[in-house]
Amino acid sequence: AQKVTQAQTEISVVEKEDVTLDCVYETRDTTYYLFWYKQPPSGELVFLIRRNSFDEQNEISGRYSWNFQKSTSSFNFTITASQVVDSAVYFCALSEKNRDDKIIFGKGTRLHILP
Amino acid sequence: DADVTQTPRNRITKTGKRIMLECSQTKGHDRMYWYRQDPGLGLRLIYYSFDVKDINKGEISDGYSVSRQAQAKFSLSLESAIPNQTALYFCATSDTPGLATPQKFFGPGTRLTVL
Repeated sequence: AQKVTQAQTEISVVEKEDVTLDCVYETRDTTYYLFWYKQPPSGELVFLIRRNSFDEQNEISGRYSWNFQKSTSSFNFTITASQVVDSAVYFCALSEKNRDDKIIFGKGTRLHILP
Repeated sequence: DADVTQTPRNRITKTGKRIMLECSQTKGHDRMYWYRQDPGLGLRLIYYSFDVKDINKGEISDGYSVSRQAQAKFSLSLESAIPNQTALYFCATSDTPGLATPQKFFGPGTRLTVL
């Protein structure tokens, strides 16, 4: 069965610190997709990244970076030099190929960036 | 203009009332979804539709119904609202799966409170 675990319920860091949000997933499929979404206090869901299971390259986008490791079934998200505007709930999600109706979300990590 | 819109954005209603939440999209996607978000539980799928004639139940469809009036419109109804249906509701669309990695596009959410 598919499962996404975000073990960190809530994290607080001081502005400019780096912070890593953990995501561990379970699936029996060999082809699957992983996502990260951001939900700021305003409530909308903002798409950040998607990765398919055949692409293990790490990705960097500005202050954001993602570390995908199939060997440990992890897809961790790092924010470098955090800013107050990064304060939000972050969701990791998983779906199987051709089963995007079955996108499974983790329970989210609430990130507080303290000024 | 937003690609996926939801109306209303906020709604307070009483137990037993019938409520309809509406979703419209301009992305031209065939696939549309309704999710519910509760604190600490992430997002859970209520209903999904792969085209106008194809509607399917998600993991928590009891107490809800949907209508796909057109490719661009997907409505969620609560026939007789109850307090535990108080939640944040998201509509989403996705591009067609296949070789490409699917991506979901979320609406801004509707905050529903049932008293």
